[in-house]
Amino acid sequence: AQSVTQLDSQVPVFEEAPVELRCNYSSSVSVYLFWYVQYPNQGLQLLLKYLSGSTLVKGINGFEAEFNKSQTSFHLRKPSVHISDTAEYFCVMIGGFKTIFGAGTRLFVKA
Amino acid sequence: DAGVIQSPRHEVTEMGQEVTLRCKPISGHDYLFWYRQTMMRGLELLIYFNNNVPIDDSGMPEDRFSAKMPNASFSTLKIQPSEPRDSAVYFCASSLTRTGTSGRLEQFFGPGTRLTVL
Repeated sequence: AQSVTQLDSQVPVFEEAPVELRCNYSSSVSVYLFWYVQYPNQGLQLLLKYLSGSTLVKGINGFEAEFNKSQTSFHLRKPSVHISDTAEYFCVMIGGFKTIFGAGTRLFVKA
Repeated sequence: DAGVIQSPRHEVTEMGQEVTLRCKPISGHDYLFWYRQTMMRGLELLIYFNNNVPIDDSGMPEDRFSAKMPNASFSTLKIQPSEPRDSAVYFCASSLTRTGTSGRLEQFFGPGTRLTVL
């Protein structure tokens, strides 16, 4: 069965510190992977995506993620977070004809 | 392009009333998705369409929920009769899957409709 697991439901971090939001997936077919961000009271917007090619993907707002096929992971990283990065982050997988969302990780950036 | 448009943005209704949520996808997109988001259950996929045809409605909670897509530029999600537990934010999203196109597979989300059933 296909699944997406976001290992942390909440991640508190201080401003200017680095952060990693973890995502693992399970699929028997090739996958496409995405990270979306949802700011309070807004819809979701795309941060970055991996379709093929380079396994290190850079997105908006200084975020990047690395596709690791052997570890079946697609962790999201940012070297220095800002207060404005406080939001919920969703890891999403498309495998075959199914789109599967992770449960989300709430990132809290503290001053 | 204006992006995905949803209406109304807010809806307050009484239990037992019919509620209709509307969505206009991005022009040219071939997939349309309806999601529901609550604090308790998170983001749930309700149904999605490909080229106006419903493909998977296994996420629709019960027969009170129905969705239609009469043409490529319009979809509705209807709840009849509504119940307080239907209170949530409902999102519509669309995507393009044609190979070679920019932004392929990315889902573009609308701003959502916040539904409150009293």
